[in-house]
Amino acid sequence: QKEVEQNSGPLSVPEGAIASLNCTYSDRGSQSFFWYRQYSGKSPELIMSIYSNGDKEDGRFTAQLNKASQYVSLLIRDSQPSDSATYLCAVIMDSSYKLIFGSGTRLLVRP
Amino acid sequence: DTGVSQDPRHKITKRGQNVTFRCDPISEHNRLYWYRQTLGQGPEFLTYFQNEAQLEKSRLLSDRFSAERPKGSFSTLEIQRTEQGDSAMYLCASSAQGEEDTQYFGPGTRLTVL
Repeated sequence: QKEVEQNSGPLSVPEGAIASLNCTYSDRGSQSFFWYRQYSGKSPELIMSIYSNGDKEDGRFTAQLNKASQYVSLLIRDSQPSDSATYLCAVIMDSSYKLIFGSGTRLLVRP
Repeated sequence: DTGVSQDPRHKITKRGQNVTFRCDPISEHNRLYWYRQTLGQGPEFLTYFQNEAQLEKSRLLSDRFSAERPKGSFSTLEIQRTEQGDSAMYLCASSAQGEEDTQYFGPGTRLTVL
């Protein structure tokens, strides 16, 4: 079992819709959770971080964390074609500072 | 405040050659990380420094890989006797202690081993 799992996609949504990206993780003791966006050929760019159960909103992005279910999600409202990218979920587990990444979900926003 | 920088951005080498990459973190970030990413996968942790001390190294990292951060500022990653399987994007990230472990990535060095 992978430590951080994501559906590889592609997830295809029409412009203006809500895109929902999901991630599960294996280490119940994990404390820090991140979403990165990665365009093809580029490096990961931080979108959101979340540390407590519940929702955290930043502009069109909302991160949701449920530690009991070991589940973290990212909602993108009013999706734009420029949001088309791979979204990487990353978790910091135990006492280490290293990020453990999922394989990413490719999002395609259709004009 | 400038971001993380990496040099070179692209490197093509022949199998068996040695290569060295450089990473300059965001100024005043005391933690520096190296990751490797292959096509279709998320970045994979290689090693990390706090100041000049190398505190963790992936068990997947072979002895051909070595990293240094001699003065706690920039870091180098060297790969000796490169193999075709080393072809990947090598990413550097940095974070500041006390800022909730948020890591910011540089543009990466794309290595192609022929």
